[in-house]
Amino acid sequence: EAGVAQSPRYKIIEKRQSVAFWCNPISGHATLYWYQQILGQGPKLLIQFQNNGVVDDSQLPKDRFSAERLKGVDSTLKIQPAKLEDSAVYLCASSLVRGPDQETQYFGPGTRLLVL
Amino acid sequence: TQLLEQSPQFLSIQEGENLTVYCNSSSVFSSLQWYRQEPGEGPVLLVTVVTGGEVKKLKRLTFQFGDARKDSSLHITAAQPGDTGLYLCAGNDYGQNFVFGPGTRLSVLP
Repeated sequence: EAGVAQSPRYKIIEKRQSVAFWCNPISGHATLYWYQQILGQGPKLLIQFQNNGVVDDSQLPKDRFSAERLKGVDSTLKIQPAKLEDSAVYLCASSLVRGPDQETQYFGPGTRLLVL
Repeated sequence: TQLLEQSPQFLSIQEGENLTVYCNSSSVFSSLQWYRQEPGEGPVLLVTVVTGGEVKKLKRLTFQFGDARKDSSLHITAAQPGDTGLYLCAGNDYGQNFVFGPGTRLSVLP
């Protein structure tokens, strides 16, 4: 069974530029998560989708971050414009149906973003 | 202030030694999870503990959930170089926030 796919694996941009990350979850997984992991910290949940609806986006900086999962499968996370403090690894995860504490989340390898 | 705190932050030991890492909070959690993350990869779930006082074993790893559901520990017996990685605890407090701790970075030297 294929795991969670993410691209690109690495991205370097200058501040104020825009960037987008793509995630393809495990087939059949209804729930998809985006996390931000800053160096030396644990992942922070940015947004959780169930199918194509948003379950929780309370920690998403909505002035610059946006995410969509239009057909309930793939998802895109965008940052516009990027700031230096956005440098981090962006992790995508998926699970079958329920919330992150109730069943196994499977993580992708992440996209490492460096903002100069 | 971190909702979940982990200690120690870093740990370097020799192969064959035993170790314990801790996850603590002032909040009560409905459940706690432990993950291991290796460089360049996403976290991988090791275990979920849901009952206060629960003990779960996974080969050489022993996980315990505190009676008050505010803390947890991970004990590794006879550590091996393959145990090297970042150990993260995570969970939902009853305020419905799912959070990760900052992690303990373990290095097991051959």
